[in-house]
Amino acid sequence: IVLTQSPGTLSLSPGERATLSCRASQSVSSNYLVWYQQKRGQAPRLLIYGVSTRATGIPDRFSGSGSGTDFTLTISRLEPEDFAVYYCQQYGSPYSFGQGTKLEIK
Amino acid sequence: EVQLVESGGGLVKPGGSLRLSCAASEFTFSTYSMNWVRQAPGKGLEWVSSISSSSIYIYYADSVKGRFTISRDNANNSLYLHMNSLRAEDTAVYYCARVRGNYHSGAFDIWGQGTMVTVSS
Repeated sequence: IVLTQSPGTLSLSPGERATLSCRASQSVSSNYLVWYQQKRGQAPRLLIYGVSTRATGIPDRFSGSGSGTDFTLTISRLEPEDFAVYYCQQYGSPYSFGQGTKLEIK
Repeated sequence: EVQLVESGGGLVKPGGSLRLSCAASEFTFSTYSMNWVRQAPGKGLEWVSSISSSSIYIYYADSVKGRFTISRDNANNSLYLHMNSLRAEDTAVYYCARVRGNYHSGAFDIWGQGTMVTVSS
């Protein structure tokens, strides 16, 4: 399964709402869709699994939605620490990542 | 603290071999599926290989199939990646990552800090 994320880069200001998209080349089985955050020089961090379940310690401004082939990560009100690269991943066949969306400060 | 620590990276010539290790601590390693993920400089994440808790299920990305071998030693809480016939395009930071929960596959909830592999003459 090929995952395509859009946009490639998103320029927003703190306090704004961010909407990141992940589209799959075929239906993602059993909603096996995940989102990660990666900051420069760090390992990725698990944000969301099973499309919409936040991982331990992830603030509720992060939310995931979607089904089938179209998925969205929403950050309701951007904090300075949210500016990073975000990746979606599916784990049904067996694994693949999207190419990432860079969220930068406007 | 639950932790994964990779080691074994370095500079190797094209066609050479390298073995990466990942040491797990503060969790019951033998009950978790594990993975290797790599990231070329300035690029995105690429899943490399997966191994189930008892090594029954093993998968590889097409880009490494036939060249890389994943293995684990549950008695010593260690994961390995044996890399042969290395190419310039294998240059990357290699991360080991744990699958969340005692599932065959799933989200990666714990990641190591990564080890750099450079393939160059």
